Amino acid sequence: ELKVEQNPLFLSMQEGKNYTIYCNYSTTSDRLYWYRQDPGKSLESLFVLLSNGAVKQEGRLMASLDTKARLSTLHITAAVHDLSATYFCAFYNAGNMLTFGGGTRLMVKP
Amino acid sequence: KAGVTQTPRYLIKTRGQQVTLSCSPISGHRSVSWYQQTPGQGLQFLFEYFSETQRNKGNFPGRFSGRQFSNSRSEMNVSTLELGDSALYLCASSLELASYGYTFGSGTRLTVV
Repeated sequence: ELKVEQNPLFLSMQEGKNYTIYCNYSTTSDRLYWYRQDPGKSLESLFVLLSNGAVKQEGRLMASLDTKARLSTLHITAAVHDLSATYFCAFYNAGNMLTFGGGTRLMVKP
Repeated sequence: KAGVTQTPRYLIKTRGQQVTLSCSPISGHRSVSWYQQTPGQGLQFLFEYFSETQRNKGNFPGRFSGRQFSNSRSEMNVSTLELGDSALYLCASSLELASYGYTFGSGTRLTVV
């Protein structure tokens, strides 16, 4: 059974600071997805990582995948208030299903 | 290009009733999967359909069922509702290998009273 551990679960940071969210998973998977969810809203796709060593960047967010370490990271650079949301990582399972981490609730304070 | 459409957006039902939720995927996407989101359990996989066939099912009781039609639209049904079924139900559509990811609908917020 694929398990996903995401940490931290809650992150309060000042604008302009950098931080990293970590996702560890328990078995082999070569597909990793990051999503953002605003309160009361659905999941917005941020990144799709399909191979070991994959790195993708969009604005102040950068995601990477290390399949050997079974680890993905989401790095936030110079955070701004608009990044406040809950971020989820999810790993692809055989059978076309996603297993989600518990989410990281990010609050960026001015 | 239209996104994933879920209806209704909100539902309030009484314990013991049944409910049907609908999901229309992105045009050309033949895979539709359903997820339940609750504060306590997070996001959990319910089931996945491809070309009208259920290919995978999560660890949910038989009260949860679904189907997919020939136009790829999907419905999920929950019978004999319990208070614990209150949740946000999300539908996601994808191309078969999901290399481009999964696109989620806005969800249906179900409240059981």
